[in-house]
Amino acid sequence: DVKVTQSSRYLVKRTGEKVFLECVQDMDHENMFWYRQDPGLGLRLIYFSYDVKMKEKGDIPEGYSVSREKKERFSLILESASTNQTSMYLCASRENTEAFFGQGTRLTVV
Amino acid sequence: DQQVKQNSPSLSVQEGRISILNCDYTNSMFDYFLWYKKYPAEGPTFLISISSIKDKNEDGRFTVFLNKSAKHLSLHIVPSQPGDSAVYFCAAVYYGQNFVFGPGTRLSVLP
Repeated sequence: DVKVTQSSRYLVKRTGEKVFLECVQDMDHENMFWYRQDPGLGLRLIYFSYDVKMKEKGDIPEGYSVSREKKERFSLILESASTNQTSMYLCASRENTEAFFGQGTRLTVV
Repeated sequence: DQQVKQNSPSLSVQEGRISILNCDYTNSMFDYFLWYKKYPAEGPTFLISISSIKDKNEDGRFTVFLNKSAKHLSLHIVPSQPGDSAVYFCAAVYYGQNFVFGPGTRLSVLP
């Protein structure tokens, strides 16, 4: 049974804090992704990685960075959290035409 | 400019009736399409897909239809059940590229 696990289901952080969202997959996939989901906007791609230590900007990378030190782990970093980064964050890994998602992290920045 | 559109933000259907969710795309390079279902506070889960070489794919109560000339696909759920109430995302992809997701349609199936 394939699995993508995000470290937190719910997070509340203060404006200006550095925030780490962790994602681990157990399928040995090379491709991993971070999305945010907002009402009416669907899933927007923040960053993706197709190999260890490789990263590419998605459609909305501003205010975010990522780290992929190991194949199974892909971290999303908010360098200085802002209220407009309050959202649902979804990690995914992909093989060919199948994408598998984690359960999501609901981040609230106050 | 959205490459994948789901023009209905929400849809309500009576239990037992048919639910039809629509999706339009603009990029003729897309050659594979997927539907994902998402419950609140959970990640999206894969529902059904279709390759551009087909015009229909069926899996139990779920059928996806593809009209390439119109750049349109639809998801039919028959019969609809209350457990089908969720947000449905249409996604499109072509070789070597990332998925492009639509904004989603919230389906409510009323008992």
